[in-house]
Amino acid sequence: AQSVTQLGSHVSVSEGALVLLRCNYSSSVPPYLFWYVQYPNQGLQLLLKYTSAATLVKGINGFEAEFKKSETSFHLTKPSAHMSDAAEYFCAVIHNNAGNMLTFGGGTRLMVKP
Amino acid sequence: KAGVTQTPRYLIKTRGQQVTLSCSPISGHRSVSWYQQTPGQGLQFLFEYFSETQRNKGNFPGRFSGRQFSNSRSEMNVSTLELGDSALYLCASSLVPGGFTDTQYFGPGTRLTVL
Repeated sequence: AQSVTQLGSHVSVSEGALVLLRCNYSSSVPPYLFWYVQYPNQGLQLLLKYTSAATLVKGINGFEAEFKKSETSFHLTKPSAHMSDAAEYFCAVIHNNAGNMLTFGGGTRLMVKP
Repeated sequence: KAGVTQTPRYLIKTRGQQVTLSCSPISGHRSVSWYQQTPGQGLQFLFEYFSETQRNKGNFPGRFSGRQFSNSRSEMNVSTLELGDSALYLCASSLVPGGFTDTQYFGPGTRLTVL
């Protein structure tokens, strides 16, 4: 069974600093990869997804992620953090024969200091 | 276009009771999935429905069940509630199955508290 590991359950950055949230997957076949964001008392919102079209994926709100097969990683970055980026971020995978079944990582709570 | 709606938003039940949660997908979406979110176990897949048929099921006991109606609305039921069933239950909809090509949109969730 495939799994997703997010290193760091809490990450704190200063406003304007680089945001780097780490995600590694374990799968013999590169899966389809996603990053979701969850704001307090809300559902999940898709930030971006990798479906093998391009290794560097750009998403909403200035976020992007790079798929690295050799490192089995799909880290999320943003050049400059805003206060409004404070939320919980989830990395997730789907196998191409598993319909819509997302397997999520444990989540990383991003805190942005003024 | 309205998003995914879930009712009720908050629910308090006692152990042993049963509960039914409802999810209305985005208009035109025919695939609905359910997830359970808890602080200890994180986000876990419950089941997925498409055209009134369950396509996938997660590793949950039989107390958890669901169904989908002809208008694509879905309900999930939990019988004989346990304290550990306290969670945020999220519903997601998409046009069709195959989430790698089609975006899944999540609702705000139903917060279930079991006392």
